[in-house]
Amino acid sequence: GAGVSQSPSNKVTEKGKDVELRCDPISGHTALYWYRQSLGQGLEFLIYFQGNSAPDKSGLPSDRFSAERTGGSVSTLTIQRTQQEDSAVYLCASSSRQQSNYGYTFGSGTRLTVV
Amino acid sequence: GENVEQHPSTLSVQEGDSAVIKCTYSDSASNYFPWYKQELGKRPQLIIDIRSNVGEKKDQRIAVTLNKTAKHFSLHITETQPEDSAVYFCAASSASKIIFGSGTRLSIRP
Repeated sequence: GAGVSQSPSNKVTEKGKDVELRCDPISGHTALYWYRQSLGQGLEFLIYFQGNSAPDKSGLPSDRFSAERTGGSVSTLTIQRTQQEDSAVYLCASSSRQQSNYGYTFGSGTRLTVV
Repeated sequence: GENVEQHPSTLSVQEGDSAVIKCTYSDSASNYFPWYKQELGKRPQLIIDIRSNVGEKKDQRIAVTLNKTAKHFSLHITETQPEDSAVYFCAASSASKIIFGSGTRLSIRP
């Protein structure tokens, strides 16, 4: 596609429910990243995919968070048993390079609100 | 792991004046330093980047400098304009990921 696409753009969920956030990277981009941005805060790294494997998942805050990528393309970030502190904008980015020392292209993000 | 500190957290300058944002990083293996601009409610966008083999890079009104010895890098915006108002993030990268600073909210006073 022309850019990184994320869905849904907004998600409101009840505390304790599971949510799935989707990222569709730029076609041909092998590297995919998930970040979290809390209100007025910086960008917190969550996980990095190269192809379908995740060589760096060090930023996932707890075992309630998981992510997968299939076909070297679409990625899904799943948050189980959501908590209010999970409320944030979840940003996906992709890059054509295997290493991260080239700029990312970010998606518009999914704004998650846990009530 | 890498840690990036960014200062100031907020910055207000008169239109036409210059703005400077400073960052430090901890991992001496970091070799790529991008800067992102994020307007309210929008996605971060890459505005300029610098690699560790150069000390300075300029693109019109924007310039970045890098001091590898001191592990400092800075963003300089000259002749600021209202459309420069945004949050700016510095970042540092070595191999697997880019680590971002906490951001600087830049406001341009008319």
